[in-house]
Order: sequence, then structure tokens, then C-alpha cells
Amino acid sequence: DAKTTQPTSMDCAEGRAANLPCNHSTISGNEYVYWYRQIHSQGPQYIIHGLKNNETNEMASLIITEDRKSSTLILPHATLRDTAVYYCIVRGANAGNNRKLIWGLGTSLAVNP
Amino acid sequence: DGGITQSPKYLFRKEGQNVTLSCEQNLNHDAMYWYRQDPGQGLRLIYYSQIVNDFQKGDIAEGYSVSREKKESFPLTVTSAQKNPTAFYLCASSLGLQSSYNEQFFGPGTRLTVL
Repeated sequence: DAKTTQPTSMDCAEGRAANLPCNHSTISGNEYVYWYRQIHSQGPQYIIHGLKNNETNEMASLIITEDRKSSTLILPHATLRDTAVYYCIVRGANAGNNRKLIWGLGTSLAVNP
Repeated sequence: DGGITQSPKYLFRKEGQNVTLSCEQNLNHDAMYWYRQDPGQGLRLIYYSQIVNDFQKGDIAEGYSVSREKKESFPLTVTSAQKNPTAFYLCASSLGLQSSYNEQFFGPGTRLTVL
């Protein structure tokens, strides 16, 4: 699975959009980009995933560049409850990779009032 | 409500004692996982199971053991052989082999402290 790099920390004002970048320059053609977040002392929570196209759900939007070497998670109107560590992970679609979510250190997002 | 439960939330044990952490899911998921998280670190995979009565070692299995006798349950035993057992332990489940992508659902975690 491809490795990812993310900024260590970011700040965002409440009510504004939070844009969290992720670089995955070694991603291969069948690898998906996943985003999870972890609020302090809780289990991680799935946010969104994508392969090539941009994706949107009730929580966030995922923008993947055309060359797939980077992506951005967008929280359109950040709230204080969005303060968490956000993990960007890439993994293959094959069943043999079922177990492998390789977790980095993520981005610690602080949403400020 | 469907989900994953882990108990207890906090656990204290004396050094040299084995301890078993509980993980139960009612999501009808085939695959289950155990991760360990240390302060300021990402998650590391201990063991995983794709089906009942089968499990495989993850990246840091030494000093741990698991069983998968029922689809719903995947208990983790932290043995006295684990040199640094104090950590936050997370259990997860996913649909498994039949799913081409694999969203994992996590429990609330158990914080184990060995004194």
C-alpha cells in the first residue's frame, strides 16, 4: 500500500471550511483513498473514500487530483465537534489487502471558536 | 442499535498477569481486527480474523493471543510476554472478503494500564 504524508496540525475557525491535504505520490491504479478521524480517546470514525472521482457525503467532500497523487478532505462548515486527528490512508481493492489500513500520524485539526 | 462494543473502557492490571479484552459486534461482519495505539502514534495491527475459527498475525502480534469461536466475538488476551502492554486497544470490524472496499467500524476502545 502507498504511504501518505499529511501536515502535523492545522487550525480552522468555526463555521469556515476546513481543507485537509494529503500527498500519496506512490499510489497505484487500484488503490482507494480513505479518510478516518479520531476524536480524543475514542475509536476512529470512517468519513469518506474515493478512487478517481470526487466524492461527497453528509460529512465531507473528497477532492482527488487528476494524477491521483494528492487529495483534499473538505469539511464545509467546521464545528467545534470536528476537532480531531484526521487520517488519510490508501489501500488496495483486492481481498488480499483486507487487513491493511496503514495508519500514519494524521493531521490534528483544531477548530477554534 | 448496530455497532461494536468493547469492555471495559479502563482496565488496570499488575505486571505479570494475563488480561483479556472483550470485543463484540452485531453488524454481521465477517472480518474483525485488533489494533494498538500508543500516545501520539497511529494504529498498529495486532491480529485480524476474516472468518470464524481463523485468524492471522498482524504487524505486532508478539505477546498477544486471540480466538474467534463466534462471528460476533473476537477477544484479545494480553499475555505476560508482552513487554509494554500499557496502551489504548481498539477493536474493529468490516464486511470482509466479499467487499471490494473495506470500511472498518471501530469500537470505543479499552485503555489498559499495567502497574
